[in-house]
Amino acid sequence: TQLLEQSPQFLSIQEGENLTVYCNSSSVFSSLQWYRQEPGEGPVLLVTVVTGGEVKKLKRLTFQFGDARKDSSLHITAAQPGDTGLYLCAGVRNSGYALNFGKGTSLLVT
Amino acid sequence: KAGVTQTPRYLIKTRGQQVTLSCSPISGHRSVSWYQQTPGQGLQFLFEYFSETQRNKGNFPGRFSGRQFSNSRSEMNVSTLELGDSALYLCASSLGQGGGEKLFFGSGTQLSVL
Repeated sequence: TQLLEQSPQFLSIQEGENLTVYCNSSSVFSSLQWYRQEPGEGPVLLVTVVTGGEVKKLKRLTFQFGDARKDSSLHITAAQPGDTGLYLCAGVRNSGYALNFGKGTSLLVT
Repeated sequence: KAGVTQTPRYLIKTRGQQVTLSCSPISGHRSVSWYQQTPGQGLQFLFEYFSETQRNKGNFPGRFSGRQFSNSRSEMNVSTLELGDSALYLCASSLGQGGGEKLFFGSGTQLSVL
């Protein structure tokens, strides 16, 4: 069973469209991270959220941590081809130590 | 500042063989973590080393092992390779230990087991 469930698994959209990807769990996390991975490369950290209800913005990307710290979302406004990649959420459980990753959302912007 | 370097970039092995992968962390980083990435399972944590000691281990069989040297460079070894070991193996370094740290990933070693 995957600790972090990401949806959708795949997303193909046109340039200029908006989109939201989700990261959900039944566990409480002390922090959640979002990474983007491009083909042939390792994941690159985009943001870390640590407080329930926290919202962080990174240019056209908006990240939100759920109030109960069990879920997170990533919203992209006016997507561009350069946003194409695999978006991964990862978190450390309150009772845990290691970073657990979701399987990711593969985004294609054309 | 140079990033995390993993060698080799690609490897092809046959079942039953063993393989050693290498990771050089960012200068000053003392923690190195290893992950296995497959299309079906995503990124799965293998182990973390900090100051030459294994601090945490994921749910992988004993065929998977690692070590860290005094200069923080790390190696992981997989013995008696199985077809299911085919994956992208990613190494990540961080200043401190633990999952809450900011991880810097290398480009990975793509291992194919035939």
